[in-house]
Amino acid sequence: DIVMTQSPGSLAVSLGERATINCKSSQSVLYNSDNKNYLAWYQQKPGQPPKLLIYWASTRESGVPDRFSGSGSGTDFTLTISSLQAEDVAIYYCQQYYSTQLTFGGGTKVEIK
Amino acid sequence: EVQLVESGGGLVQPGRSLRLSCAASGFTFENYAMHWVRQAPGKGLEWVSSINWNSGIIDYADSVKGRFTISTDNAKNSLFLQMNGLRTEDTAFYYCARDMFGGGVRGVSDYWGRGTLVTVSS
Repeated sequence: DIVMTQSPGSLAVSLGERATINCKSSQSVLYNSDNKNYLAWYQQKPGQPPKLLIYWASTRESGVPDRFSGSGSGTDFTLTISSLQAEDVAIYYCQQYYSTQLTFGGGTKVEIK
Repeated sequence: EVQLVESGGGLVQPGRSLRLSCAASGFTFENYAMHWVRQAPGKGLEWVSSINWNSGIIDYADSVKGRFTISTDNAKNSLFLQMNGLRTEDTAFYYCARDMFGGGVRGVSDYWGRGTLVTVSS
């Protein structure tokens, strides 16, 4: 299975500041035939199911604010919240879909400093 | 509006069985692949199983292979998870989720239910 490793496990950021979450896969999730990275990001708030934020590593889901952006390729990826808002307090997960054995990262908890 | 509503969770003893259901509405169910994802209380997300639009492609996590069976009833717009030989480590919220890319199992979930809690304990 492809192992997804997120860092840090938690971070506290001041309102309006940038939050950066890293995700590393144990093998490349870049599919050569279409040159796409099979990597998604989800946000989960307490008591709620996950919400899709980004897929293909950098494509924002409809309705997701543009302060959320994804970058990276191959095995190293980043989710950036450019200006943290109070409603962004949540746990964020990366997930690979390169393999049919889908796997998630362990999650990164984002809090307000 | 797309809605997914899970049911069937509860308290069950180790070794027993449970069948989860997910009622779908607001979209053409038979045109989409579906997934089950679980989350132990206070823990991260774990993919459990996927099924494509015509049930021709089915996949399971190694942790549940041979014990769990995923299925659909397109006439009833429903997804199921039959769980046999339950273990304490199967205790989790179980979410059903829709694959955003349609009938093939691609693996990105754009809609999720609110989950149903399965507790395996003696």
